[in-house]
Amino acid sequence: GAGVSQSPSNKVTEKGKDVELRCDPISGHTALYWYRQRLGQGLEFLIYFQGNSAPDKSGLPSDRFSAERTGESVSTLTIQRTQQEDSAVYLCASSLVSGGPVEQFFGPGTRLTVL
Amino acid sequence: GENVEQHPSTLSVQEGDSAVIKCTYSDSASNYFPWYKQELGKGPQLIIDIRSNVGEKKDQRIAVTLNKTAKHFSLHITETQPEDSAVYFCAAITGGSGAGSYQLTFGKGTKLSVIP
Repeated sequence: GAGVSQSPSNKVTEKGKDVELRCDPISGHTALYWYRQRLGQGLEFLIYFQGNSAPDKSGLPSDRFSAERTGESVSTLTIQRTQQEDSAVYLCASSLVSGGPVEQFFGPGTRLTVL
Repeated sequence: GENVEQHPSTLSVQEGDSAVIKCTYSDSASNYFPWYKQELGKGPQLIIDIRSNVGEKKDQRIAVTLNKTAKHFSLHITETQPEDSAVYFCAAITGGSGAGSYQLTFGKGTKLSVIP
């Protein structure tokens, strides 16, 4: 079956522009996570969706970052007024919801470069 | 919050030898420890995981050990092959934030190179 997909795979933008990154989770996966991976670093948690609501936004680095999810499916991460420090790979993961932690399936990521 | 330290940052081994990667965590409430393999240009892929009620788990050439008292866990790869070359990440989850979030806290990764 299809895995997690993300688009675009690469995005180059100028400082100050807004960008939108898209994630299509595995069908039936109610939980969705966004992570950021800076060059040579581990992944940093950004936000968690349970269905269409986001009960955990604790990882968003600033109010320039926001995300939404519709139809318990597609999610969009928006970064407004991009800065050079926003350059990173943005990864999306989805999982089933259960009473405990289960495997998170990752997409290939969107590589964002802010010039 | 949780903090995960991972060592070494790079590791080179000869094909057929074993590789060991070690991680420590800070939150004694953490109860799930996955290991991910990330190949160039791809997202991380789960290779093995262990829960806090188990001390060791093995899957063919891959094994993970967990020492809850010392708060460290390790990945062991035996009979390494060139296709094992990748970046490996350990992670920890502190079960359920109350919001149902099982966010992963990752180590910084180990770049493993298997030399043919």
